[in-house]
Amino acid sequence: AQTVTQSQPEMSVQEAETVTLSCTYDTSESDYYLFWYKQPPSRQMILVIRQEAYKQQNATENRFSVNFQKAAKSFSLKISDSQLGDAAMYFCAYRSAFGPRDTGRRALTFGSGTRLQVQP
Amino acid sequence: NAGVTQTPKFHILKIGQSMTLQCTQDMNHNYMYWYRQDPGMGLKLIYYSVGAGITDKGEVPNGYNVSRSTTEDFPLRLELAAPSQTSVYFCASSDVDRGFPGYTFGSGTRLTVV
Repeated sequence: AQTVTQSQPEMSVQEAETVTLSCTYDTSESDYYLFWYKQPPSRQMILVIRQEAYKQQNATENRFSVNFQKAAKSFSLKISDSQLGDAAMYFCAYRSAFGPRDTGRRALTFGSGTRLQVQP
Repeated sequence: NAGVTQTPKFHILKIGQSMTLQCTQDMNHNYMYWYRQDPGMGLKLIYYSVGAGITDKGEVPNGYNVSRSTTEDFPLRLELAAPSQTSVYFCASSDVDRGFPGYTFGSGTRLTVV
């Protein structure tokens, strides 16, 4: 079974600064998807960014970018120009790139999360 | 608005009671999931379904049951509630059998067992 580890329970960043959240995962698979989700106090799960393992190029979405190191099984999230609205829990998640008959691997596996505080 | 709807949003249950958490999606997604999130933790998979009439256990299924009689609905049943089932429960659905998967989450149900 795959596991996802987020070793930073809490992080803090000054407004307008840059912060990097860490995520490592354990898998024997060669093809998979990785995600970062944001969970504000409203509890809603909001997709921040996603990456396909077979793509070498790191994904970017505006102020959010990832550093995907496949050999190291690392998938860190960089938030640039941090804003007060970025304060939330951030979850890293993994999903297999399954075969057509492999029905059990469509679910996401989540890490334990990193709580990000943004200081004004 | 299209999406995943969960009811109720909050509930307090007494030990030994039973209840059903409701989940409905209107996106015609085949795949649906139930997760629980304990305080300060990530989401753990309870049950999932790959289509009407087909369900299977996830990582933490004990104490729960599900059914999937229609594509839209995926209720989660708690039998003989225990304090360990105090958690926030999320329902989700996904599309795209091949290609990049997209997931839609409900807003969660905060359940307290006392």
